This record gives sequence, structure tokens and C-alpha cells, in this order.
Amino acid sequence: KAGVTQTPRYLIKTRGQQVTLSCSPISGHRSVSWYQQTPGQGLQFLFEYFSETQRNKGNFPGRFSGRQFSNSRSEMNVSTLELGDSALYLCASSPIFGTPAGYTFGSGTRLTVV
Amino acid sequence: SQQGEEDPQALSIQEGENATMNCSYKTSINNLQWYRQNSGRGLVHLILIRSNEREKHSGRLRVTLDTSKKSSSLLITASRAADTASYFCATDGQAGTALIFGKGTTLSVSS
Repeated sequence: KAGVTQTPRYLIKTRGQQVTLSCSPISGHRSVSWYQQTPGQGLQFLFEYFSETQRNKGNFPGRFSGRQFSNSRSEMNVSTLELGDSALYLCASSPIFGTPAGYTFGSGTRLTVV
Repeated sequence: SQQGEEDPQALSIQEGENATMNCSYKTSINNLQWYRQNSGRGLVHLILIRSNEREKHSGRLRVTLDTSKKSSSLLITASRAADTASYFCATDGQAGTALIFGKGTTLSVSS
């Protein structure tokens, strides 16, 4: 079966712009989580969605937002981009909510802010 | 904040040798997982060990968990060049759903 698909793979944006990243989970998976990976901070949890509702949120500013659609696909949006937002953004899907066991990650979107 | 901290940060070995990575964490957990990441790509789930388990095996992987010391180790036996990657431990956060990752161990296996 198809894995977790993230688009686009690479993105270059200018400071102050906004960006939207997309994640299509494995068919049948209803939980989608987002993580940011940077050399300095490592992997950090952004948020998790289940059944179109945000169930958990990490410690990121309000410029980072997300949503989940009825088909479980998820998008995350970053507004007013800063240089420090340059990172690999990873999406993970899981069939259930409430335990993080069994996460499948996508290949990520590498965002560069110039 | 980081929950898991891996040790060493980097490890270089020859093919056929064993590689051991350690992970320490700060708060009580429900389970601990190990993931592999090849060259800045996505994470691949390797193995999960629950808090009531002490050891788990999967192929060439052996994971141990010591909840009294809040530590885990990942042993890769008979390493291959294809094992070259970064390895991360991840624990479930206090909220019970989000994974909290350590900074990882970069393993280099040369032939």
C-alpha cells in the first residue's frame, strides 16, 4: 500500500511569506502528526490531528497552524516566515489516536527560508 | 524540550562489528521507540518496547529498557554499510500522544 506522501519535497520561500505543506496519510490512517527537524533543536512535535480535530499541540508560535480534512489528509501552514523556520517538516500517520505506537513517517518537506 | 538523549552522538565502526547506542530520558513513559533516518529523509520505525518489557529483539536489533535508570540501549549486531544512518529514540510525552525525540546518534559503517 502507498506510504505517507508529503508535498512538495523541497520549497524555497522568502522571509515574510507564508507556506502550506501537505500530507496524505496511509489509507485508513486517521491520525496525522507533524514534526519539525532542525540541526539545532532536533525533532520537535508541532501538532496532531485525528478526525479533523487538533488533539495535541507542541510549543510553537501561532504562526504555525494546521488542519485535517474529512479524507484524513492534512495541511500545515506557516505564516510570516522567519529564517529560523528553515527545516525538514515531517508528517506521520497512525491508524489510531491515543498511542504513538506504529507511526509511519513521510519523506518530509525541506523548507528553506531566504 | 528533549526527553531522550542519545549517546554517543556519533559512532564509526567496521562492517561486521556490533553497534550500541544508548538513550536516556527524564520522565516516566508508556513506551520507547527507536527510529532510523537515512540522510535527512523520513524516519523509519525500528522497534517499540513497552515500559513493562525489559528486552526486545527484531532481526539484528536488540533493545533493552531499564525504567529504574530511565535508559534504553539499541544494539545492532553484525553491522552492514546499509546501517549507516542516524538513530533516534523517542518516548511518549506526558500528554500521552506526542513523540519526544532525542537528538540522535549518527552511525557510520564502513566496508
